[in-house]
Amino acid sequence: DAGVIQSPRHEVTEMGQEVTLRCKPISGHNSLFWYRQTMMRGLELLIYFNNNVPIDDSGMPEDRFSAKMPNASFSTLKIQPSEPRDSAVYFCASSFYIQETQYFGPGTRLLVL
Amino acid sequence: QQQVKQSPQSLIVQKGGISIINCAYENTAFDYFPWYQQFPGKGPALLIAIRPDVSEKKEGRFTISFNKSAKQFSLHIMDSQPGDSATYFCAARGFGAGSYQLTFGKGTKLSVIP
Repeated sequence: DAGVIQSPRHEVTEMGQEVTLRCKPISGHNSLFWYRQTMMRGLELLIYFNNNVPIDDSGMPEDRFSAKMPNASFSTLKIQPSEPRDSAVYFCASSFYIQETQYFGPGTRLLVL
Repeated sequence: QQQVKQSPQSLIVQKGGISIINCAYENTAFDYFPWYQQFPGKGPALLIAIRPDVSEKKEGRFTISFNKSAKQFSLHIMDSQPGDSATYFCAARGFGAGSYQLTFGKGTKLSVIP
């Protein structure tokens, strides 16, 4: 199994630009999580999907952040407009079932200048 | 407060030594305590996990010790190796309907020196 796939691996953009991060969960997994990792705040859950439906987006920091999961094999996290404080590593994770082990992707390192 | 406090922030251990990382939690509803290992440039990966019905769980060189009354748990790495150098995160989660969110500690950067 290829594991959770994320793209791009690195993204450098300028403040105000739109950023789209992509995730392909492990085949057969029905739960998907987006996390953000920073030195100051550690790992934070942004949003969680179950069977492609967003269940809890209370961790999404602002309306500038949005996430979609149009099908079981693809999810996006969009930031529009981006700001320097959004610079972080964004991880996608998936699990077979809501309470099973979460498998993390390699992350997208985002730098907003 | 859904918080997990982890210490130390960084740890240097000689090869063959014992690495010990501690975590404390406040929420008594937490019922599942995993440890994740993260190498540079990689995502966190589950290392070992414990539920509070046991006080200790061992997998190879890795052991979790759990003290329910003190609301503390720790990771022990025996015979630490340079390949164990990574960042370790403790986490906690409730168990039951609707319980899915992992609350992570801030992480411990372990360096094992030859």
